[in-house]
Amino acid sequence: GAGVSQSPSNKVTEKGKDVELRCDPISGHTALYWYRQSLGQGLEFLIYFQGNSAPDKSGLPSDRFSAERTGGSVSTLTIQRTQQEDSAVYLCASRSGTVSYEQYFGPGTRLTVT
Amino acid sequence: EDQVTQSPEALRLQEGESSSLNCSYTVSGLRGLFWYRQDPGKGPEFLFTLYSAGEEKEKERLKATLTKKESFLHITAPKPEDSATYLCAVRPMNYGGSQGNLIFGKGTKLSVKP
Repeated sequence: GAGVSQSPSNKVTEKGKDVELRCDPISGHTALYWYRQSLGQGLEFLIYFQGNSAPDKSGLPSDRFSAERTGGSVSTLTIQRTQQEDSAVYLCASRSGTVSYEQYFGPGTRLTVT
Repeated sequence: EDQVTQSPEALRLQEGESSSLNCSYTVSGLRGLFWYRQDPGKGPEFLFTLYSAGEEKEKERLKATLTKKESFLHITAPKPEDSATYLCAVRPMNYGGSQGNLIFGKGTKLSVKP
């Protein structure tokens, strides 16, 4: 079946511009996560959505970062006024939300801020 | 503080040379430990989940084991196509933040030469 998809695969933007990154989770998965992976660093948790509950935004590094999930499916991560330190790979993962904690990842969006 | 440490950071093997990767963890109770494989430019690919000390899981040339303090990923007679970064993650029992969130190590980069 179809896995997690993300778009775009690569994004180059100028410092100060806003960007939107999209994630399509596995169909039927109720939990959705965003992570950031910087060179040489582990995966850094950003935000978590579970069903209709309020999202857990505890990992967002600043108020320039926001995310939404429409209809319990597609999610968009928005970074406003991008900075060079925002350059990283942004990964989305989904989980079935039942008993298992296994998360399934998309291919990521590589963001480069020039 | 909950944390995950992987060693070594990098490992070079000759084809057929068996070895092990280590994942040490400190958590307030373990709800699950996860191994992922990540190829360059791709998202992490789920390999195994381990839930309790003494548990083992196998897949082709890989075998994951778990104790109360660490997990090992044993690679038997590796092939060049096993070259990748292997990530370990844990789900603490009482995670004050996000439900179902995982804490990742920084990974071990494995290179297998023919």
